Amino acid sequence: ETGVTQTPRHLVMGMTNKKSLKCEQHLGHNAMYWYKQSAKKPLELMFVYSLEERVENNSVPSRFSPECPNSSHLFLHLHTLQPEDSALYLCASSQGTGLENTEAFFGQGTRLTVV
Amino acid sequence: DAKTTQPPSMDCAEGRAANLPCNHSTISGNEYVYWYRQIHSQGPQYIIHGLKNNETNEMASLIITEDRKSSTLILPHATLRDTAVYYCIVETNFGNEKLTFGTGTRLTIIP
Repeated sequence: ETGVTQTPRHLVMGMTNKKSLKCEQHLGHNAMYWYKQSAKKPLELMFVYSLEERVENNSVPSRFSPECPNSSHLFLHLHTLQPEDSALYLCASSQGTGLENTEAFFGQGTRLTVV
Repeated sequence: DAKTTQPPSMDCAEGRAANLPCNHSTISGNEYVYWYRQIHSQGPQYIIHGLKNNETNEMASLIITEDRKSSTLILPHATLRDTAVYYCIVETNFGNEKLTFGTGTRLTIIP
């Protein structure tokens, strides 16, 4: 248990569906992240939020839409996905002050399958 | 551009020390060395990090060469639960920066 909780753990969705992934942390962290991990590929950073503001968007297609309503919650809204978007989606959080080095805590991930 | 180079895979006998190397020859003065591991289908787990001094915690030891161009993660008494992909990452910090994961080293602990 890392203190970062992702739901659902598994999700199967059709290409025309709309779904959302949820991430929650109560570690008092100020920064939250979405990563994508496709089969046999390294983790790819998608989005970074610091103090609820998006500070990084790594050229992610618009069919992925993040939302950070407060420092404890992060969502990834999905719509009209493609089969190649099937992957493990990981959320992470960190202290995010930028003043000292601190580790990131990752959730268990959501295994997404697009059919 | 990859900041680190790691062997793709390694084996280690259970109970022995596992020594995982990492080359980071272009590391700059304000960049730290981080190690994470990822057990199959789980999220990555932080292990240890350091700047220039050797570091030790309850999980592992980190040895950084004097010129900081390479480092070694040491798991002193490997168990089967240590089988995972180990990532060596070089970053300034993880405040508002990001961790860039490479392909890591797949460590297999042999019974």
